[in-house]
Amino acid sequence: QITLKESGPTLVKPTQTLTLTCTFSGFSLSTSGAGVGWIRQPPGKALEWLAVIYWNGDKRHNPSLKTRLTITKDTSKNQVVLTMTNMDPVDTATYYCAHRRGSASSGGTFDFWGQGTMVTVSS
Amino acid sequence: QSVLTQPPSVSGAPGQRVTISCTGSSSNIGTDYTVQWYQQLPGTPPKLLVYGSDRPSGVPDRFSGTKSGTSASLAITGLQAEDEADYYCQSYDTSLSGHYVFGTGTKVTVL
Repeated sequence: QITLKESGPTLVKPTQTLTLTCTFSGFSLSTSGAGVGWIRQPPGKALEWLAVIYWNGDKRHNPSLKTRLTITKDTSKNQVVLTMTNMDPVDTATYYCAHRRGSASSGGTFDFWGQGTMVTVSS
Repeated sequence: QSVLTQPPSVSGAPGQRVTISCTGSSSNIGTDYTVQWYQQLPGTPPKLLVYGSDRPSGVPDRFSGTKSGTSASLAITGLQAEDEADYYCQSYDTSLSGHYVFGTGTKVTVL
């Protein structure tokens, strides 16, 4: 059974850097085709994909946020970390991590999601 | 920032069939990559409903997905009260080194 759980601060100040950790079980990020992605959702708004890291270390980022995002993995700890720099109130959202299933380092689907963690950006 | 466009809302009476459209472009839905659909109930994370033309185990066959050209659709037949939720389409976009995209979301209301 695949499970994922997000952890990190609930409140960050403008200009600060946000660091979120996704801890997962039920799969290995060293298995061919596996990936973990981050998706966020501002209150009352649509989902926005942020970044993904694949089993082979390949990464993709949302082009509009690419300069602010870093995604890394620790396969031995079953964790994926997302950092987002220069946080702004518009970044207030629920942040989800999700298991990505596919056969290559492109395409695929997010088939299991964490419960999400709400992050508020305010001074 | 969504590049996949969905109608904000659709509604139907119990038992009816409703469809949700998802319009993209030649760099996402118009490619060979599949389109996924997610259902999100209030206060819960999205749940994978359809990937391509398939459904995960446990998802009723009342939900089906199709794709044609640069558009995709989700059909819900035999609408039930429990189907009232937000629905999102998702695809992979091959532009700008490749990235994932979600739709703008559609609220389904059961009358």
